[in-house]
Formats: sequence, C-alpha cells, structure tokens
Amino acid sequence: DTAVSQTPKYLVTQMGNDKSIKCEQNLGHDTMYWYKQDSKKFLKIMFSYNNKELIINETVPNRFSPKSPDKAHLNLHINSLELGDSAVYFCASRRESGANVLTFGAGSRLTVL
Amino acid sequence: DAKTTQPPSMDCAEGRAANLPCNHSTISGNEYVYWYRQIHSQGPQYIIHGLKNNETNEMASLIITEDRKSSTLILPHATLRDTAVYYCIVRVAGSQGNLIFGKGTKLSVKP
Repeated sequence: DTAVSQTPKYLVTQMGNDKSIKCEQNLGHDTMYWYKQDSKKFLKIMFSYNNKELIINETVPNRFSPKSPDKAHLNLHINSLELGDSAVYFCASRRESGANVLTFGAGSRLTVL
Repeated sequence: DAKTTQPPSMDCAEGRAANLPCNHSTISGNEYVYWYRQIHSQGPQYIIHGLKNNETNEMASLIITEDRKSSTLILPHATLRDTAVYYCIVRVAGSQGNLIFGKGTKLSVKP
C-alpha cells in the first residue's frame, strides 16, 4: 500500500478554473504538508496541518485553500487558476513527535494553460 | 535555521562510494543535519539524519565533523538508481517539520 497517495498525478486545466488535489496517508501520522516545486525545481512549503488544524501558512495566495477532513487527509483546493500555478505539488506527512522525517507522496503535476 | 552549502553537481562511478559534502558553519547546538534525495519525477525521500555522532542505516552513512560545521553523506556502493538530487537540511528536531530545501547536489552515477 502506498504510504502517502495523491490524486490526480497529472492535471491539465485552463486559466480561471478551480481544481483540487487530494492527499491521503495511511501511516497514522499527525501532521501533513503541501509543498510546491516550481519549474526551477525549488521545493517550498505551502501549508502544514496538525490534527486538522492549520499550523503553517506560508505566503501563498488565498486562492489556495487546504482542507483537512480528518488527520489522514489533506486536500488542496485552488481557485481561479493562473499560469504561475503550474508546478508539481507534493503532499507529505510526519509523526508529531520525534525527528523531521517526512514521507512524501509521488507528486501531482499541475499544468495551467 | 542554519544555511547549508552544497556543490551543485557531482559524478560517481557505479559501484564506487559517493561522498556528498555539506557545509553548515552556522549550525546551532540543537539543530540536526538531515539528508533527503529526490529521484527524477518522484517525491523527496528521507535518507538519514544526525546530531553529533556518525550515523549509518541501510541506505547511507552520515559523517559529521567534530565542530559540526560540515558533514558528508556516504553512499557506500553507488548504483545507477542512486542518481538523484541530494538535499542537506539543518533543522531543529520537532520544529513542525517544515523543512527548507535548498538547491541540493545533483549526483550522477555513471556506468
């Protein structure tokens, strides 16, 4: 079983549309993250959720809204998509206690046309 | 967080040891050194971490200098599948896990 699974793996859409990326982890971890990797390959944290509560919200546009229905799921909803949103989005999870050992998903490649 | 410096790229012959250096001269006493890697088109993968002592697991060894200002990740017998970008990250343990990734080192393992 995949520890951190994301869907869809690929998403191609038009500017102005609204889309969601889903993430689920079966590791029993308490904290989940969304990272964005742009065309220059820089990985940047976007959001972090701990037990359904947002604990990090880096300077991302409010068009991006994370939703965590339970601690095993962290979905990313994006409104009014822009060209600059094209990137690979990675979900990750971590046990609350202990080291910063994150388990990442395989990524969701978003292309905005 | 302490800043890390890594060479942008390195080559290694298949079957040989790959030694990836990382400088973190401003590291604080409670900051750990973490190594992750990202194979092309995959998500980042945790490799190893340490505070002061050298560490070894099934994937790699981590050698941290006594003054903790630099470290080396060692892949003892590199394979073609080890070709990836390797990230050295310094972070306080339990600091909400929002790791800050730099540019890393692109390791190319060649036959």
